[in-house]
Amino acid sequence: QKEVEQNSGPLSVPEGAIASLNCTYSDRGSQSFFWYRQYSGKSPELIMFIYSNGDKEDGRFTAQLNKASQYVSLLIRDSQPSDSATYLCAVNRRGSNDYKLSFGAGTTVTVRA
Amino acid sequence: SQTIHQWPATLVQPVGSPLSLECTVEGTSNPNLYWYRQAAGRGLQLLFYSVGIGQISSEVPQNLSASRPQDRQFILSSKKLLLSDSGFYLCAWSRRDREEAFFGQGTRLTVV
Repeated sequence: QKEVEQNSGPLSVPEGAIASLNCTYSDRGSQSFFWYRQYSGKSPELIMFIYSNGDKEDGRFTAQLNKASQYVSLLIRDSQPSDSATYLCAVNRRGSNDYKLSFGAGTTVTVRA
Repeated sequence: SQTIHQWPATLVQPVGSPLSLECTVEGTSNPNLYWYRQAAGRGLQLLFYSVGIGQISSEVPQNLSASRPQDRQFILSSKKLLLSDSGFYLCAWSRRDREEAFFGQGTRLTVV
């Protein structure tokens, strides 16, 4: 079982719609969860992190965490063509005095104008 | 503010040649440093991480090695490249007390 799993997509949504991305993880002790956006040919950039169960909103982005079900999701409201990218879910692995993120393979999102 | 520099941006190397990729971080002290590799269409694989000068932990046995000669410098090396070493190599850093990792611009390596 992969540590972090995501649907590869592509997820195609019309401009202005909500894009919903899901991520599941296998380590029940995982504590921290991150969403990165990666444009084609570029490096990942951090867009959200969440530590507690529930929702966390930042602009058009909402991260949702459910530790009991071991999933984390990302909602992109009012999707724009500039949101077209691959979104990577990352999870912190427990360790002593270091912080190592495990990444999913990413979900590719295409926003249709 | 903190910045991370990684070079070169692209590299084409023949099989059996050596490799040296360098990464430096500015604006912070004592960062955690990481080397990731991303194969085409796949997720990021952690190769090495370092919590201090000379302290390197390897995540995956492979043809590569890493070194941290200075606090904010991280180097990825190979003595003899294999075709399977092709990929997108990313250096990242995080604050010692934080988990968020921030990436350099990456090096796209093609071994021919």
